[in-house]
Amino acid sequence: SAVISQKPSRDICQRGTSLTIQCQVDSQVTMMFWYRQQPGQSLTLIATANQGSEATYESGFVIDKFPISRPNLTFSTLTVSNMSPEDSSIYLCSVGGNYEQYFGPGTRLTVT
Amino acid sequence: DQQVKQNSPSLSVQEGRISILNCDYTNSMFDYFLWYKKYPAEGPTFLISISSIKDKNEDGRFTVFLNKSAKHLSLHIVPSQPGDSAVYFCAARVAQSGYALNFGKGTSLLVTP
Repeated sequence: SAVISQKPSRDICQRGTSLTIQCQVDSQVTMMFWYRQQPGQSLTLIATANQGSEATYESGFVIDKFPISRPNLTFSTLTVSNMSPEDSSIYLCSVGGNYEQYFGPGTRLTVT
Repeated sequence: DQQVKQNSPSLSVQEGRISILNCDYTNSMFDYFLWYKKYPAEGPTFLISISSIKDKNEDGRFTVFLNKSAKHLSLHIVPSQPGDSAVYFCAARVAQSGYALNFGKGTSLLVTP
C-alpha cells in the first residue's frame, strides 16, 4: 500500500474563508479520492480526482464549493471554499483502484 | 440514505476472547465489502475484504463472513488483543458504479486486559 501524507493535519478557520488541503503520495497512482467525515457520521466520498482530467463529483458536492486539482500522479489538493460551520469535518484523501482504497491521516477542520 | 449500517456503536471484549463486529446493508448490488480500522488522529487502515462470490475470507486473526441472503457481514477477531481497540468501519461498493465506497458509521471496539 502507498504512504499518504496530508497537510495541514488540522486547522481552525473563520466562516467565509477558504482552506486548501494537500495530499501527497509516495508512489504514482492513477486514482485519488477525497472523502469527508462529519462528526458522528460515516465517511462520504466527495470526488474522484484523476490526473489530466476534471474531477468527478458525487451527488451533493459541487466544484465551486470543493475545487480539486490533480497536477501529477503523486499530488492533489482539495479546497473547501466559503466555509461555514457545517463544513467542520475530517477530510481524507485516499488512493486505490478496483478494490481496496488506502487513506491518508486526514485533516481535521473546524470552522468558527 | 444509509446503505451500510453498523447498529452497534460500541463493543467491549476481554483480551483473548472473540470480537464479533456486525454490518448490514440494503443495496443488493454491492459486490465487494471491506473492513477498515481507525485509531484516533489517524486515517482508516484497510483490514480485510471479501467479494460477493465468497462467504468467508480469513487473514490471520481476522475473518470476514458474508451472508448475502441476509445482507449481513461480520468481522471476527480471534483472539482479541488490547491493540485491536479502535473504531471499525464496514464499507461496500458496486463495481459497475465507479469507485465510491459506502461506509457504515463505525463500531468502537474496546479490548480490556
